[in-house]
Amino acid sequence: GNSVTQMEGPVTLSEEAFLTINCTYTATGYPSLFWYVQYPGEGLQLLLKATKADDKGSNKGFEATYRKETTSFHLEKGSVQVSDSAVYFCALLYSTLTFGKGTMLLVSP
Amino acid sequence: DTGVSQNPRHKITKRGQNVTFRCDPISEHNRLYWYRQTLGQGPEFLTYFQNEAQLEKSRLLSDRFSAERPKGSFSTLEIQRTEQGDSAMYLCASSVHAGGRGTEAFFGQGTRLTVV
Repeated sequence: GNSVTQMEGPVTLSEEAFLTINCTYTATGYPSLFWYVQYPGEGLQLLLKATKADDKGSNKGFEATYRKETTSFHLEKGSVQVSDSAVYFCALLYSTLTFGKGTMLLVSP
Repeated sequence: DTGVSQNPRHKITKRGQNVTFRCDPISEHNRLYWYRQTLGQGPEFLTYFQNEAQLEKSRLLSDRFSAERPKGSFSTLEIQRTEQGDSAMYLCASSVHAGGRGTEAFFGQGTRLTVV
């Protein structure tokens, strides 16, 4: 079956640090890949997406590249802000939308 | 607001009672998903509809759970004889799915169920 594995959190960083959250997937076909973000007390919001191999999704300074050879979709940001503190979910879409368990990011001033 | 709408936002019920939640998807989105999320976990797939057809249901889903999307627009999720373990956030999402490919799903704010 399809599955998504994310690095466990929490990830604790100081403001302006570099962020990487690892995500790998297993799928029976060629899925679309997504990162969603959930801020405290809020619903899930789409952060970025990639629909085919080598696509790079980007939004709000975050980036992720669809790597078919390593079945990965790691999330990166060059300089995090306190306001980026949230839970980040990696997901794949192939028939159904399957999520990882989420990675909490805590950014301190 | 033309986003995904879920009602109610909060529901407290006594164990053994039935509850029903409603989801209104984004207009013209033909796919609708239901998920359950507990604290510290990712969304767990429950079921999804393509128009009015329920195409997949999680094998982990109890027979006490049922969902409908009678006219391919709004959907309801009913839980019969609620148990404390049903306490969770129930999320609805919608998307466009055509030609064998889907687009990103948009989520509602969720319905938080507490079973006491």
